[in-house]
Amino acid sequence: GIQVEQSPPDLILQEGANSTLRCNFSDSVNNLQWFHQNPWGQLINLFYIPSGTKQNGRLSATTVATERYSLLYISSSQTTDSGVYFCAAKYSGAGSYQLTFGKGTKLSVIP
Amino acid sequence: DTGVSQDPRHKITKRGQNVTFRCDPISEHNRLYWYRQTLGQGPEFLTYFQNEAQLEKSRLLSDRFSAERPKGSFSTLEIQRTEQGDSAMYLCASSLASGPTTPFGSGTRLTVV
Repeated sequence: GIQVEQSPPDLILQEGANSTLRCNFSDSVNNLQWFHQNPWGQLINLFYIPSGTKQNGRLSATTVATERYSLLYISSSQTTDSGVYFCAAKYSGAGSYQLTFGKGTKLSVIP
Repeated sequence: DTGVSQDPRHKITKRGQNVTFRCDPISEHNRLYWYRQTLGQGPEFLTYFQNEAQLEKSRLLSDRFSAERPKGSFSTLEIQRTEQGDSAMYLCASSLASGPTTPFGSGTRLTVV
């Protein structure tokens, strides 16, 4: 099956700093999503971005499908951005419906 | 609809007992997924329903696990003869025929003692 690798595994930021999270995937995909899991375990979809670039407030994401990677940018980080960020991808082959998640990047934003 | 609902939120059971979890998806979503998440890991796919048909199952779904989605509405996930290794967060998600897998429910946290 498809492999999804995220880096870095852990990240500590001072409030106000910017960061870039990376996701590499091993095969062609027709779905690439970024999620934020809050301390209570709720998974929130941030972006659905199988290709191209999207922005939502202080967050933006870029997926270069031909090179099999995606980036999540967080600007002017806030303490509420803390949590685990997951990248998840779905192989574009027929009969595959599952999202494969990476192991996540644990972000801690300190005041 | 306020999102995907899962019940119960927490379940503590003794090893060897059977447990059943329920997921209520967004009503117009025909696709429903179950995932399992253990501490420090990303969610792992268990199974997928399109309407009432179970179309994909992970090898993680052993013979002790069974899932149903009668009439293409809510879904249940049953674990028979629970083992300590079954302790995890069980997550449900729903989606339309195309597009992102979202939203996810708040999950059922299972602890097997």
